[in-house]
Amino acid sequence: GAGVSQSPSNKVTEKGKDVELRCDPISGHTALYWYRQSLGQGLEFLIYFQGNSAPDKSGLPSDRFSAERTGGSVSTLTIQRTQQEDSAVYLCASSLAGGLNEKLFFGSGTQLSVL
Amino acid sequence: AQSVTQLGSHVSVSEGALVLLRCNYSSSVPPYLFWYVQYPNQGLQLLLKYTTGATLVKGINGFEAEFKKSETSFHLTKPSAHMSDAAEYFCAVSVQTGANNLFFGTGTRLTVIP
Repeated sequence: GAGVSQSPSNKVTEKGKDVELRCDPISGHTALYWYRQSLGQGLEFLIYFQGNSAPDKSGLPSDRFSAERTGGSVSTLTIQRTQQEDSAVYLCASSLAGGLNEKLFFGSGTQLSVL
Repeated sequence: AQSVTQLGSHVSVSEGALVLLRCNYSSSVPPYLFWYVQYPNQGLQLLLKYTTGATLVKGINGFEAEFKKSETSFHLTKPSAHMSDAAEYFCAVSVQTGANNLFFGTGTRLTVIP
């Protein structure tokens, strides 16, 4: 596709359920980021993938959060046993090579609501 | 440690007035600096960036920002606000620290009053 695609755009789930959020980066982009955007919290870094390197998971808030990137392209962010504080917009971004001066291309996000 | 501080989570200006959104950073090494904008119901997009060279950089929609090393600042300005500028603006800093190298501020929501 032409841009970063995220699905679903909205997800409502019950507390305790698992959810999977998907990100399709721009074709050919080797770097992929996940951020969480909460009201008044700005963009909170979650995880970063760069090519075949081990991902930087330093931003994941708990062991209920995990992510994978298959074949260097599509990424899935999984939240197990969701809690109400997980409610937020989850943003995915990609860049060509993860360079320091590169522009990030963002998806429109997944709005997650945990009831 | 790297950090980005945006002063003012909400800024209101009248249409036609100067827009000034403040961003200060802390970094032990020279950073690259970015402003991203998020229009209502849209994804974030790059407004402008400073990498090297001229410290005054121009971006889309008439915005510009000046990198001031002595003040560790990268404030965003626009001479005359337009209604369409209403959005959330995020300052970000990129430094070579390891794997993840991009850090965002908490954002400033700009309201333009007709």
